[in-house]
Amino acid sequence: QKEVEQDPGPLSVPEGAIVSLNCTYSNSAFQYFMWYRQYSRKGPELLMYTYSSGNKEDGRFTAQVDKSSKYISLFIRDSQPSDSATYLCAMRRNSGNTPLVFGKGTRLSVIA
Amino acid sequence: GAVVSQHPSRVICKSGTSVKIECRSLDFQATTMFWYRQFPKQSLMLMATSNEGSKATYEQGVEKDKFLINHASLTLSTLTVTSAHPEDSSFYICSAKLGLAGDEQYFGPGTRLTVT
Repeated sequence: QKEVEQDPGPLSVPEGAIVSLNCTYSNSAFQYFMWYRQYSRKGPELLMYTYSSGNKEDGRFTAQVDKSSKYISLFIRDSQPSDSATYLCAMRRNSGNTPLVFGKGTRLSVIA
Repeated sequence: GAVVSQHPSRVICKSGTSVKIECRSLDFQATTMFWYRQFPKQSLMLMATSNEGSKATYEQGVEKDKFLINHASLTLSTLTVTSAHPEDSSFYICSAKLGLAGDEQYFGPGTRLTVT
C-alpha cells in the first residue's frame, strides 16, 4: 500500500460546480498537509497548508483534514475553467526538513 | 507567496554531455532546497535534499555521482546532470523552504530536460 493514495482522474465538471478532491494516507504520523495546484509544464503552486485536523478556508478553497480516518479533502466552490489543472496532495510527518510525500495528483477539467 | 526561479526552463542536450540547472529563491533565504523529478502524468519524486553549506542527502536509487547538487549560498542551489542519457529526459523541479521556522515549501517553475 502506498503511503498516500490519490485518484488520478481525470475529473471533468461544468463551470460553477463544487469540486471535491481527496487523498487517503496510511501513516498516522503525518501532521502537516498541503494541497498544490500544477498547471501543465509548470511547477506546483501551494494552495492550502494545514496542520493536524480541522478545516481551513481561503476564498473558494476549503481544505479538510480528518486524521481519525486518515483522509484529507480539498473543496473548490464555484469552479472556473481557470481551475483546470492537476491537484496534488502532500504531507509530512513533522516540521523541519522531513520530505513531503506526494499523491499522484488528480487532473481536473472545468468545462465552460 | 515566496518566489523560486529556475534556469533554464527548457534544455536539449546530446547524450553524454552534462547539464546544469539553477534554482534560486528570489525574495527569501532558503536553508533547505529540494530537487524533484517528474515523468509525464506522474507525481513528483524527491531526488535529494540540499542544505546550504553541506552535502546533499540523496533518496534511495538516485546516483549522487550522476546528479551533482551544490547549495553554495542561501539563495542558490544547482543540479548538474552528468553524462546525460535519454532516460534522464524529464521535468526537474526544485523547491525551497522558508528558513528554519517555516514549513511551507515553494516550487520553481521546473526545467524540461530532453536528452537526444
